[in-house]
Amino acid sequence: DIQMTQSPSSLSASVGDRVTITCRSSQSISDYLNWYQQKRGKAPKLVIYGASILQSGVPSRFSGSGSGTGFTLTISNLQPEDFATYYCQQSHSTPYTLGQGTKLDIK
Amino acid sequence: QVTLKESGPVLVKPTETLTLTCTVSGFSLSNPTMGVSWFRQPPGKALEWLAHIFSTDEKTFTTSLKTRLSISKDTSKSQVVLALTNVDPVDTATYFCARTKPYYGNSGHYVDAFDIWGQGTMVTVSS
Repeated sequence: DIQMTQSPSSLSASVGDRVTITCRSSQSISDYLNWYQQKRGKAPKLVIYGASILQSGVPSRFSGSGSGTGFTLTISNLQPEDFATYYCQQSHSTPYTLGQGTKLDIK
Repeated sequence: QVTLKESGPVLVKPTETLTLTCTVSGFSLSNPTMGVSWFRQPPGKALEWLAHIFSTDEKTFTTSLKTRLSISKDTSKSQVVLALTNVDPVDTATYFCARTKPYYGNSGHYVDAFDIWGQGTMVTVSS
């Protein structure tokens, strides 16, 4: 199975900040990497697919990059609605696997 | 409009089998490009992928629970059913189903992503 490791596991930031979350895979997955945002008590929401492509309706302050085994999710100019938990997920091969999540909260 | 909705028992006793149903609308389970997965999330903990069923009826499971999980679909009813045998209190969680859809990526191939999710259903395992 492909293991996905996110860092940090938690992150405190202020409105207006820029933050970066890292995701690493245990083997190369090309760009078969997706990012999800989950707010408390809600289902996850697709934010980025294919490592770097913004899902329709997602603000342009979100961006993703990477290929192979290393990926990043960057949020610029943090807004109050961005404070949530973020998960990376690989769809290179089954079983599908997720990172352990990064909780982004307000400083 | 595409929707998924989970249903099933709120409370299950240890050693019993948990059976959950995901009812979908707005797309067909026979669509060759789409599939449905189940996830779970224990209270305050991370999201965990459990199982997936493809339109071809091919199935795949998380390695750690492979011996206890089964997944099936009834295309005519637009339902995907997950069963987890011999439950334990550690199986207490919110269970979600989600659809995979192929998205065309920058590298010239399609990438499956979970684009639509159900609201989740909370299941407690307790005697």
